[in-house]
Amino acid sequence: QKEVEQNSGPLSVPEGAIASLNCTYSDRGSQSFFWYRQYSGKSPELIMSIYSNGDKEDGRFTAQLNKASQYVSLLIRDSQPSDSATYLCAVDNTGGFKTIFGAGTRLFVKA
Amino acid sequence: GAGVSQSPSNKVTEKGKDVELRCDPISGHTALYWYRQSLGQGLEFLIYFQGNSAPDKSGLPSDRFSAERTGGSVSTLTIQRTQQEDSAVYLCASSLVGSGRYEQYFGPGTRLTVT
Repeated sequence: QKEVEQNSGPLSVPEGAIASLNCTYSDRGSQSFFWYRQYSGKSPELIMSIYSNGDKEDGRFTAQLNKASQYVSLLIRDSQPSDSATYLCAVDNTGGFKTIFGAGTRLFVKA
Repeated sequence: GAGVSQSPSNKVTEKGKDVELRCDPISGHTALYWYRQSLGQGLEFLIYFQGNSAPDKSGLPSDRFSAERTGGSVSTLTIQRTQQEDSAVYLCASSLVGSGRYEQYFGPGTRLTVT
């Protein structure tokens, strides 16, 4: 079992819709969770971090964490073509010592 | 403020040559990471530096790879006797570990091509 699992996609949504990206992790001791966006040919860019159960909202983005289910998700409201990218889920239980990245989900927002 | 910088942005080298890749982290960040990303693949952890502690080299794929961090700031990743399978984008990230927040901020990467 991979430590951090994401559906590789592509996930295709129409412009204006909600995109839902999901991630599961295997280490129950994980404490820190991150979502990164990576455009083709570019480096990963941090979108959200979440450290406690529940929802965290930042603009059009909402991160949701459920530690009991070992599940973290990212919702993108009012999706735009510019949101088309690969989204990486990252999980850490080492206090920053070694963050584990998922392989990413490709999102395609159709205009 | 300035982000993580890396140089060169692109490097083409012949098989068997040595290369040095440089990373300049965000000022004040205590942790520095190197990753490798092959085309269409995920991030592969290479090495981690935190303050003055011994680096975690567990991700280095072979003894041809080495890295150092001078003065707790700039880091250099060295690949000796490059092979074609070393071709990838090498990403550096830094983090303010110890603050209770562990977000990593990435540089633009160095694209290495071994011919």
